[in-house]
Amino acid sequence: GAGVSQSPRYKVAKRGQDVALRCDPISGHVSLFWYQQALGQGPEFLTYFQNEAQLDKSGLPSDRFFAERPEGSVSTLKIQRTQQEDSAVYLCASSSVRGSDTQYFGPGTRLTVL
Amino acid sequence: GDSVTQMEGPVTLSEEACLTINCTYTATGYPSLFWYVQYPGEGLQLLLKATKADDKGSNKGFEATYRKETTSFHLEKGSVQVSDSAVYFCALSDIGSGGSNYKLTFGKGTLLTVNP
Repeated sequence: GAGVSQSPRYKVAKRGQDVALRCDPISGHVSLFWYQQALGQGPEFLTYFQNEAQLDKSGLPSDRFFAERPEGSVSTLKIQRTQQEDSAVYLCASSSVRGSDTQYFGPGTRLTVL
Repeated sequence: GDSVTQMEGPVTLSEEACLTINCTYTATGYPSLFWYVQYPGEGLQLLLKATKADDKGSNKGFEATYRKETTSFHLEKGSVQVSDSAVYFCALSDIGSGGSNYKLTFGKGTLLTVNP
């Protein structure tokens, strides 16, 4: 079946622009996660949804970052007034049921802020 | 808080050599442990996992044993191939609020290059 998909795969933004990154999880997956991966580093947790509820947003680095999953399926990560330090790969992952600990990752969106 | 420390790379081996990538962790609860692999130009893929002490995860010739006494989960393979060239990430998932395992905490990754 289809895996996790993300769009766009690459995004170049000028500093100060707003961007929106989309994640389509595996159909039926309850849990959805966003991670940020800086160059040469491991992914770092940003936020977690169970269905449409955002249960943990402790990893969001600032109030410029906002995530939503209004119908419990597709999710959007929005970054307002982008800064150069926001340049990274943004990874989305989903897992099947509450309590499941196997996360399936999408290919990521590489964001470059000039 | 939770953390994962893994051997820094890069690691360069010849085909058929033995591989060990060390990984140790700290966690407040009873984590599940994972190795993820990232091949060039591709997304993260789960390689193997172990959910409790003394469990051994294995896949594609790779193995790792969950050692609670040493808080380790070292990745091993007896004979590497050129196609194993990738970045390997050790990670843990701890019980979060509400009793559900959730966010992963990753190490920094180890780049493995296997030469023919």
